[in-house]
Formats: sequence, C-alpha cells, structure tokens
Amino acid sequence: AQKVTQAQTEISVVEKEDVTLDCVYETRDTTYYLFWYKQPPSGELVFLIRRNSFDEQNEISGRYSWNFQKSTSSFNFTITASQVVDSAVYFCALSGTNTGGFKTIFGAGTRLFVKA
Amino acid sequence: EAGVAQSPRYKIIEKRQSVAFWCNPISGHATLYWYQQILGQGPKLLIQFQNNGVVDDSQLPKDRFSAERLKGVDSTLKIQPAKLEDSAVYLCASSLFQGASGNTIYFGEGSWLTVV
Repeated sequence: AQKVTQAQTEISVVEKEDVTLDCVYETRDTTYYLFWYKQPPSGELVFLIRRNSFDEQNEISGRYSWNFQKSTSSFNFTITASQVVDSAVYFCALSGTNTGGFKTIFGAGTRLFVKA
Repeated sequence: EAGVAQSPRYKIIEKRQSVAFWCNPISGHATLYWYQQILGQGPKLLIQFQNNGVVDDSQLPKDRFSAERLKGVDSTLKIQPAKLEDSAVYLCASSLFQGASGNTIYFGEGSWLTVV
C-alpha cells in the first residue's frame, strides 16, 4: 500500500527564517513520482514540483529547494528566507502504479504560518 | 491557457437535499478527477475518469454520490441525499493522460459545500 506522512501539522516562523517541511512516503513500486503542492487560503492546489524515483538530484527554484532521499523515503521541502506570502497549506503527494491503476495520494498537509 | 473551471464556488444546503457540481478540465486533458477535501485533511480521490470511462471509483460512496463525464470533456458530480459529513471542498482536477504514473494533476479552485 502507498502512504504519505507529513508529521508536522502546523509550523509557525517569522519572516526571513528558513523552514523545512517534511514528507515521508511508503510504496512498493520501483517507479514512482513525488509532488509538492501549495494550497493558499483561496483553496486551489498549486503544483510546485514533480520528481521521479530515479532522479535523486536535489532541486532549487528561487527560494524553494527539495531534498529527495530514497534511502530514508523522504522528500523534504525547504523555503529559504520565508515571506508572508508563503503562508499556506503544503501537501506532499505520491503517484505510483500500485494495483489496479495509477493513483496519486496526498499527505494530510502542513500548515505554514509566516509572521511579519 | 485556461485552468480547470468549477462551479459553483460555494453552496449551502440542508441535509437530505441534493447538490451538483460542474467541472471543465484543461483543454486536451484526457484524465479528470474529483477529490473530496475535508477541513484539515488532504484531498481524497472520489473518482477518476479517462476520457468518458471510469478508471477508479473505489472511494465514491455510491449510495449517494454519482458522477458522469458523458462526452469525455466536462463532468458533473452529484450528491443526493446530502449528509452533514459531506461538508467539504470538492476539487476537480485534470491531467494530460493516464497510462503512466507521474502525471501532474492540475486543480481547480474547488466547490465549497456546507450541509446544515
């Protein structure tokens, strides 16, 4: 069975602090994909990044960076120099073949508060 | 490019009433999803269509929920009769194709349902 765990329910930081959101996953698939989405108060989930299981290179996009480690089944997301606009709920997701089709499942989310 | 369109954005109904949500996916996207997101939780897949066929509806409460995508483009999700526990955001999403894991899913803004 596939599972995504985001152990941090809420994180509160002060603007300009760095913050890391944790994501741990479980899957029996050898080929799978990992995602991060941002959900601002408006409600729409905004796609941030996709990673496949064969590419363990870390990725940086502006203030965002992602650390994928297969050895620990983790795909953590770091925001550097956080800003108030980063306040949102962040979801980690996993897509794999599993049985009976290709499914994407989501973690419970981490709510990030960035205070000015 | 237009994103996933959903309507209505907000709906308040009494229990035992019915409600319908409409979704138009991104043009050219063959796969359409309906997710339910209860407050404080991650999105849960209700049903997944590939063109006008159902790929996965294992978590759809079929005694009260129904969905269709007759022409393989837009889709309607219906709840009848509604229960208090159906209060949630109903997210429609689409992706380019199914047939391999890792399709990036793009979400609409959601339809917020309150059952009183």
